[in-house]
Amino acid sequence: EAQVTQNPRYLITVTGKKLTVTCSQNMNHEYMSWYRQDPGLGLRQIYYSMNVEVTDKGDVPEGYKVSRKEKRNFPLILESPSPNQTSLYFCASTFDRARAGELFFGEGSRLTVL
Amino acid sequence: GQNIDQPTEMTATEGAIVQINCTYQTSGFNGLFWYQQHAGEAPTFLSYNVLDGLEEKGRFSSFLSRSKGYSYLLLKELQMKDSASYLCAVRGIVNTGFQKLVFGTGTRLLVSP
Repeated sequence: EAQVTQNPRYLITVTGKKLTVTCSQNMNHEYMSWYRQDPGLGLRQIYYSMNVEVTDKGDVPEGYKVSRKEKRNFPLILESPSPNQTSLYFCASTFDRARAGELFFGEGSRLTVL
Repeated sequence: GQNIDQPTEMTATEGAIVQINCTYQTSGFNGLFWYQQHAGEAPTFLSYNVLDGLEEKGRFSSFLSRSKGYSYLLLKELQMKDSASYLCAVRGIVNTGFQKLVFGTGTRLLVSP
């Protein structure tokens, strides 16, 4: 089954404790992206990757890092989480940047930072 | 930059027709997308318009007017399961040449019996 898989789905952590949210897709998509979704603010792009070893900042990259060592995986790293990073996070992918609009989303990861 | 406006919330009755509007301002427009998102779930792609006019897909249709910076999503024969948020997203060209997708804040639709 074609899918984007995120882990963990739910996480409660404390300020400053490094964490990684994994994202994996099995559709051989070139383009992958991370979004956060907050009430009243909608989906905002954190980072995106157009292919292996090619990543760039989105609209709200502060406090986050990503890597794209393999085509299928695009982990989101919070080196020192803070309460303002409490949010619902979505990973998304699509075939290539020319079709960077028809996105396939993961189920979301709800993160709470205390 | 890109700016997208859509109503925060709408209500409608089962069996009725509802139109959700979206207005946008963007540089290098290259497509408008509609997504559906049920509460607590991931967004799912509904429709795509890049040329002016109406695109029909079953009970859902989407319209685009590029000159007016305007789109709408039309839902016919509403069903209870259509209660969800509907996200308008615009794809534009940023200065790096990359096509960037920006989402509106979404319209929450409540369908009542």
